[in-house]
Amino acid sequence: GESVGLHLPTLSVQEGDNSIINCAYSNSASDYFIWYKQESGKGPQFIIDIRSNMDKRQGQRVTVLLNKTVKHLSLQIAATQPGDSAVYFCAEIQGNALNFGKGTSLLVTP
Amino acid sequence: KAGVTQTPRYLIKTRGQQVTLSCSPISGHRSVSWYQQTPGQGLQFLFEYFSETQRNKGNFPGRFSGRQFSNSRSEMNVSTLELGDSALYLCASSLAQGSEKLFFGSGTQLSVL
Repeated sequence: GESVGLHLPTLSVQEGDNSIINCAYSNSASDYFIWYKQESGKGPQFIIDIRSNMDKRQGQRVTVLLNKTVKHLSLQIAATQPGDSAVYFCAEIQGNALNFGKGTSLLVTP
Repeated sequence: KAGVTQTPRYLIKTRGQQVTLSCSPISGHRSVSWYQQTPGQGLQFLFEYFSETQRNKGNFPGRFSGRQFSNSRSEMNVSTLELGDSALYLCASSLAQGSEKLFFGSGTQLSVL
């Protein structure tokens, strides 16, 4: 069946560098995507969302890019900080529920 | 404003038993969704409740059930527990049914022995 997936299970970056987390989706009808951050022992926390009529959306230190042609979205984190260490999930609306990817673990090293 | 509250935080059960998990949504939120999170399958949608009615259901067996009360609080129940039911069960609330922006609790970690 159609699903949302992630390219890399783990990503290690140095503090201060920019991070890019990628996500591929297969449902071309998907029109809404969300990125969540999950820290150890906590539930997922909303970071940023984007609709399919947009290519880019910016938040505070985060940017989401959507490429509908190749069905790919990415989350860019500027000046990555130790507090950014977490698992990041992309999710798409499927029916009336969110379909989550498997997640990418981001580790920020000093 | 208090966030989504889930109780208990941890739970240990044995195969064949049943379990009830509780979720209190953010004040004013009327929709509650439940998700199961495991290392192998990730986050999977269980069901959504709005106005005390199940509005949407994921692909889980009938052993998984839930309900919502008039104050929007929700419970989910798993009967005849299996080892594979060991997971983090997450509750999320939102303002309205099918709302895209979900606010998650910290979850209940269920271990089935």
